[in-house]
Amino acid sequence: EPEVTQTPSHQVTQMGQEVILRCVPISNHLYFYWYRQILGQKVEFLVSFYNNEISEKSEIFDDQFSVERPDGSNFTLKIRSTKLEDSAMYFCASRSLAGGIRLSTDTQYFGPGTRLTVL
Amino acid sequence: AQSVTQLDSHVSVSEGTPVLLRCNYSSSYSPSLFWYVQHPNKGLQLLLKYTSAATLVKGINGFEAEFKKSETSFHLTKPSAHMSDAAEYFCVVLGDTGRRALTFGSGTRLQVQP
Repeated sequence: EPEVTQTPSHQVTQMGQEVILRCVPISNHLYFYWYRQILGQKVEFLVSFYNNEISEKSEIFDDQFSVERPDGSNFTLKIRSTKLEDSAMYFCASRSLAGGIRLSTDTQYFGPGTRLTVL
Repeated sequence: AQSVTQLDSHVSVSEGTPVLLRCNYSSSYSPSLFWYVQHPNKGLQLLLKYTSAATLVKGINGFEAEFKKSETSFHLTKPSAHMSDAAEYFCVVLGDTGRRALTFGSGTRLQVQP
């Protein structure tokens, strides 16, 4: 069964450093998402991406964040200058366009997550 | 804006006894609702989804959930718990804006005692 993969599983970085989190969505999916979960808190939406551009982003997704689909398979989240409060589990998800863009039945499939620790 | 509230942060049951994980939603439209499960060091796996068809939804691993509009609830149940059901469970609602983002509940940790 196809699945979303993410690398690395755990990333430790110093405050102020740039990090890139990588995701390989399911191959025929066209919508991509990043979510994050700070320890002990809810899973929160960060950004959605379709047709090589951001569809929508949350208030969390400020100028230090960016997303990119550099090739046909990878989907990346870059944090330019990490802060202590960026420490969290970051989940990538993807979904197909089966049934059309507005059809609410589409399921998002999640990767295992990358645990980011900022020291 | 839509939201979901999971009424219990922790639920502990004995193996072989029923499971009930409670979720209430708030939405101005007919929502699409999901339950996801997260086992330790694993990703979020879809258990089941409600999309305005049958109000009783059957999922994987013997779980089911009933959509009750009058109570704005979408509780998750299983007749008989198994040790492998121990995990974190999330009730989730799908947004109807262009981003189609998911809004998660705070999660319920299910413990299964032998």
